[in-house]
Amino acid sequence: AQKVTQAQTEISVVEKEDVTLDCVYETRDTTYYLFWYKQPPSGELVFLIRRNSFDEQNEISGRYSWNFQKSTSSFNFTITASQVVDSAVYFCALSLTGANNLFFGTGTRLTVIP
Amino acid sequence: DGGITQSPKYLFRKEGQNVTLSCEQNLNHDAMYWYRQDPGQGLRLIYYSQIVNDFQKGDIAEGYSVSREKKESFPLTVTSAQKNPTAFYLCATRRGVSTDTQYFGPGTRLTVL
Repeated sequence: AQKVTQAQTEISVVEKEDVTLDCVYETRDTTYYLFWYKQPPSGELVFLIRRNSFDEQNEISGRYSWNFQKSTSSFNFTITASQVVDSAVYFCALSLTGANNLFFGTGTRLTVIP
Repeated sequence: DGGITQSPKYLFRKEGQNVTLSCEQNLNHDAMYWYRQDPGQGLRLIYYSQIVNDFQKGDIAEGYSVSREKKESFPLTVTSAQKNPTAFYLCATRRGVSTDTQYFGPGTRLTVL
């Protein structure tokens, strides 16, 4: 069975602190894709990153970075020097070849305090 | 202006009424999806369509219906058979294969009075 676990329900940090959002996934497939989405208060899900199971290189995009480790089935997301605009709910999701839906975690609500 | 539009943004329904949520896209994406989001939960798939005139049930299709008469449009009807319809509904599109990125619309918040 496929499953995505985001154990952190809510996190609060003070502006400029670094924060890591955890994502653990379960699948028996060898080919799969992992995603992160951001949901600001407006409600729309904003795509952040897509990573396939064969690419374990870490990725950095500005203040955002992602750490993919197949050995621990984790795909963690770090925001460096957090800003108030980073306040949102962040979802991790899993996609499998031939399956048409995304398997979502329950999300982590991040609050950045000025 | 391109992208995915959903209307209305807020919708109120009396018990026993059917309501239809609109989702339109001009991205020329083949696949379209409807998800439901409840507080504290992830998104759950209601229906999806990979091509015009074809659609498939997702995990929680009971009490919902859809149509896909045009590539650009994928309306969702919440029927009176849906016992707890109050939720946030998100439409998404996907361009290519099943593992390609899904892009989401702004959502419709449905409240049953």
